Amino acid sequence: AQSVTQLDSQVPVFEEAPVELRCNYSSSVSVYLFWYVQYPNQGLQLLLKYLSGSTLVKGINGFEAEFNKSQTSFHLRKPSVHISDTAEYFCAVSDLDNAGNMLTFGGGTRLMVKP
Amino acid sequence: NAGVTQTPKFRILKIGQSMTLQCTQDMNHNYMYWYRQDPGMGLKLIYYSVGAGITDKGEVPNGYNVSRSTTEDFPLRLELAAPSQTSVYFCASSFPRGDRKQYFGPGTRLTVT
Repeated sequence: AQSVTQLDSQVPVFEEAPVELRCNYSSSVSVYLFWYVQYPNQGLQLLLKYLSGSTLVKGINGFEAEFNKSQTSFHLRKPSVHISDTAEYFCAVSDLDNAGNMLTFGGGTRLMVKP
Repeated sequence: NAGVTQTPKFRILKIGQSMTLQCTQDMNHNYMYWYRQDPGMGLKLIYYSVGAGITDKGEVPNGYNVSRSTTEDFPLRLELAAPSQTSVYFCASSFPRGDRKQYFGPGTRLTVT
């Protein structure tokens, strides 16, 4: 079984400032890692994913994340945020043995970008 | 492609009533999922299906039932609604192999009073 912890429930930041949303996971097996974004009153959209290879993963809208196996982390970063990035962000894991591609989600981090 | 569609968008139920949340996908995905989203809790898996006729319980299945008679449809049934089932429900689908990306519907906001 896996678990995902998103350390910050809310992150306020000014427009054009950098941001990091933290995600730590625990699992007894190797995992795939994901970040999803949920804009107000919408479903979730995939932002980026780590399956294998380079530990630095680039996604849509200028976001990137780095997989750190030793620290079991997958933090999300953006060098300069926009008002339009205001949303809820979810980190998720799926273990490699998972026959149904099931995801385990963290509790979410609400990113609030202020002008 | 419409992707994953869910109906209704909103619903208010009285305690003890029943209802079915509809989910349809037009991407020919084998795998489908139902999640519920409670504030500050992320998404919890209720049920999932790896193909027509095959369903299995997720993390929080109590109070719900599902069926999967076709590849496209995966309805979620609430038999005796309880206030604890007030939540936002999301349906999702994915291919069985590849990048494991799940495609989500827009959600159904359910209130039980």
